[in-house]
Amino acid sequence: KQEVTQIPAALSVPEGENLVLNCSFTDSAIYNLQWFRQDPGKGLTSLLLIQSSQREQTSGRLNASLDKSSGRSTLYIAASQPGDSATYLCAVMNRDDKIIFGKGTRLHILP
Amino acid sequence: EPEVTQTPSHQVTQMGQEVILRCVPISNHLYFYWYRQILGQKVEFLVSFYNNEISEKSEIFDDQFSVERPDGSNFTLKIRSTKLEDSAMYFCASSVIRNQPQHFGDGTRLSIL
Repeated sequence: KQEVTQIPAALSVPEGENLVLNCSFTDSAIYNLQWFRQDPGKGLTSLLLIQSSQREQTSGRLNASLDKSSGRSTLYIAASQPGDSATYLCAVMNRDDKIIFGKGTRLHILP
Repeated sequence: EPEVTQTPSHQVTQMGQEVILRCVPISNHLYFYWYRQILGQKVEFLVSFYNNEISEKSEIFDDQFSVERPDGSNFTLKIRSTKLEDSAMYFCASSVIRNQPQHFGDGTRLSIL
């Protein structure tokens, strides 16, 4: 049974720092992995989607990597800003189309 | 930019009643999803829907739940005989195809009394 774990559960960093969020999954037979952002009281916003055949995706200050064999993904945020404060969720889509989410990392960027 | 819209934003219902949560996916999207998030817990996959039928469902999605695409724009989740533990945020999402990013609505907060 696929399990997705995200560490740390919460993170506070000063504005301007680069940071890494971690996601691990137990079953490497995934179809894709997606990183989302969730603001309080809101839905999820897709940040990056990595296909199972890809190693990384980049969008602006965000870079996500995928190492399927070790069951790990990282989300790198460069030059963090207060507006980056949110909960970041990692989700894997299994080959049976089921989607499993991690519990998320609550990120707080200190001005 | 096109959005997924969900109505109502908040639904309060007596235990045992039936509720219908409504979603309008983005118009050119072909895959549709329902998720729920109980307060303080993970987002949980309920069901995916493609080509007018369920393509996958989780263990949570039992006979109490059903989905329907009654016309060309709406995608609904029906919950029968609601229980207290059905209280949660319910999110609808859609994607162009299976392997493309999912776009989420803002959710419906369902409160069962």
